[in-house]
Amino acid sequence: DTEVTQTPKHLVMGMTNKKSLKCEQHMGHRAMYWYKQKAKKPPELMFVYSYEKLSINESVPSRFSPECPNSSLLNLHLHALQPEDSALYLCASSQDTRGQGRSPLHFGNGTRLTVT
Amino acid sequence: DAKTTQPNSMESNEEEPVHLPCNHSTISGTDYIHWYRQLPSQGPEYVIHGLTSNVNNRMASLAIAEDRKSSTLILHRATLRDAAVYYCIPLYNFNKFYFGSGTKLNVKP
Repeated sequence: DTEVTQTPKHLVMGMTNKKSLKCEQHMGHRAMYWYKQKAKKPPELMFVYSYEKLSINESVPSRFSPECPNSSLLNLHLHALQPEDSALYLCASSQDTRGQGRSPLHFGNGTRLTVT
Repeated sequence: DAKTTQPNSMESNEEEPVHLPCNHSTISGTDYIHWYRQLPSQGPEYVIHGLTSNVNNRMASLAIAEDRKSSTLILHRATLRDAAVYYCIPLYNFNKFYFGSGTKLNVKP
């Protein structure tokens, strides 16, 4: 079990669907992250939030829309995805809002997304 | 360009020590070095991190070279549960934890 909870664990969606991934942590962390991981590849950074504000967007296509409604919750809204977007989507959180690396990342176990 | 290199794979015998190397020759003096590992079907798990001096915790030790251009993760007694992909992540850029290809550790019984 991890302290970062991601739901759902699995999601299958069509290319015209709209869905959302949810990430929750109750460790009081104010930095939260989204990563995408394709099979047998390392995780790729997508977005970073600090104090509920988007601080880093790694040139992610607009069909992925992140949202941080409060300090415990991070969402990733999905719309008009392509089959190549099928991947494991990982959420992480950290105490370190300054981004200096003083504190570790805590990861959830991800949502496995399949786009048909 | 910032570059991190790790061996693609390593093998160890159970209950023996394992030394996992990482080269990060372009690291600056204020970049922390983090290590994570990932077991199949799980999210990455924090192992250890440090800045300049060697660090120990219940999972592992981190030896950082004096010039900080390399570091070594040390698992003192490998178990079958330590078989995973190990990622070395120098924090070159503010808040950007970039994962490289990592080292796949195989532990033989």
